[in-house]
Amino acid sequence: SQQGEEDPQALSIQEGENATMNCSYKTSINNLQWYRQNSGRGLVHLILIRSNEREKHSGRLRVTLDTSKKSSSLLITASRAADTASYFCATDANDYKLSFGAGTTVTVRA
Amino acid sequence: NAGVTQTPKFQVLKTGQSMTLQCAQDMNHEYMSWYRQDPGMGLRLIHYSVGAGITDQGEVPNGYNVSRSTTEDFPLRLLSAAPSQTSVYFCASSYSIAGANNEQFFGPGTRLTVL
Repeated sequence: SQQGEEDPQALSIQEGENATMNCSYKTSINNLQWYRQNSGRGLVHLILIRSNEREKHSGRLRVTLDTSKKSSSLLITASRAADTASYFCATDANDYKLSFGAGTTVTVRA
Repeated sequence: NAGVTQTPKFQVLKTGQSMTLQCAQDMNHEYMSWYRQDPGMGLRLIHYSVGAGITDQGEVPNGYNVSRSTTEDFPLRLLSAAPSQTSVYFCASSYSIAGANNEQFFGPGTRLTVL
């Protein structure tokens, strides 16, 4: 069964706006990762946050992790057309397996 | 480096046929894995390997076999294809033997249709 669930399923924003998506999971984790998938392509790793971290930044990306609520959020600031993609969270429960959610589809309108 | 490569890119099979999806990586990664992606369901782990000669089952292993005779290659075999195996298949690798503890590098995918 899938560990992570993203919310919302789809998001449409104007170029320049911020996009926020959330991920909830069920069991204790070692780390949580976010990936991007452009249409018809493989997944690309964006950021990894470990269970003892609360916030991490990478360029225009900001990820938070709240282990007490078993949730994470991904914020993309100042969105661009190139940010149009599906975004997936994936959790590592320290069992050699990465468990993915169903993803959030983000559309950035020009 | 070519990264993670997968062949073929597209494949159409008839029910009952068998085939092998190829995956190779040139990054000397210990951990390799296979996922399938179906609409609205994200990625589901089929099989994974923590090194040459070692494989284990993921979430949805039925109907699939794997082997890992070298560090570089991790083929996925469909024993007797069924329409339920119509999906996009992704191979991924990671430098750490712990696999999920680190960034995964994904191949471009194989789109399989079973008629």
